[in-house]
Amino acid sequence: QVQLQESGPGLVKTSETLSLTCGVSGYSIGRGAYWAWIRRAPGKGLEWIGSIYHTGSTYYNPSLESRLKITIDTSKNQFSLNLSSVTAADTAVYYCSRGDPFDYWGQGTLVTVSS
Amino acid sequence: DIQLTQSPSFLSASVGDRVTITCRASEDISSYLAWYQQKPGKVPKFLIYAASTVQSGVPSRFSGSGSGTEFTLTVSSLQPEDFATYYCQQLSNYPYSFGQGTTLDIK
Repeated sequence: QVQLQESGPGLVKTSETLSLTCGVSGYSIGRGAYWAWIRRAPGKGLEWIGSIYHTGSTYYNPSLESRLKITIDTSKNQFSLNLSSVTAADTAVYYCSRGDPFDYWGQGTLVTVSS
Repeated sequence: DIQLTQSPSFLSASVGDRVTITCRASEDISSYLAWYQQKPGKVPKFLIYAASTVQSGVPSRFSGSGSGTEFTLTVSSLQPEDFATYYCQQLSNYPYSFGQGTTLDIK
């Protein structure tokens, strides 16, 4: 059974960098597949943040691209999200998922951006 | 970028009802469409891919149809556990996008 688990700080200060990692078990990410980050802000719907292929090729939401970096570490079977210069608008539950489509999801982690 | 518009945004229905949610794409996405269900405080659940293929383990009362720019998700006989928010998502082109969601609640 494929399982994903997000980890990282639950509170980030305004203008700093949000960093999350998604650990994957039950599937070797080096085998293939796309891996994605998705978020849901309070009172809003799901928003695709970006995806990474096992080779390292990345695909980003243009609205976040200038602040976004997604990386993959096949040796640790995990992938990561870095979102810089965060504001309150980045407060959301962040999910990692196996794409395409998104068949397995992590439990989600709430990240609050506050000064 | 491809925009997805779901209708209605809110839907009240009763147990046993048949309900249909529509998802319209701003351009032709062939059958590159998926549907998800999300309950409050829970993780989204993957329901349907390729517009009409029901994911393993999903009850047969869920079905999807459509291609091109218009798609539907139908629940043939609503059960209490089906009251949730439903999202469509296009996988035709990056950037991927979701519809705004349809909240289905109990009448």
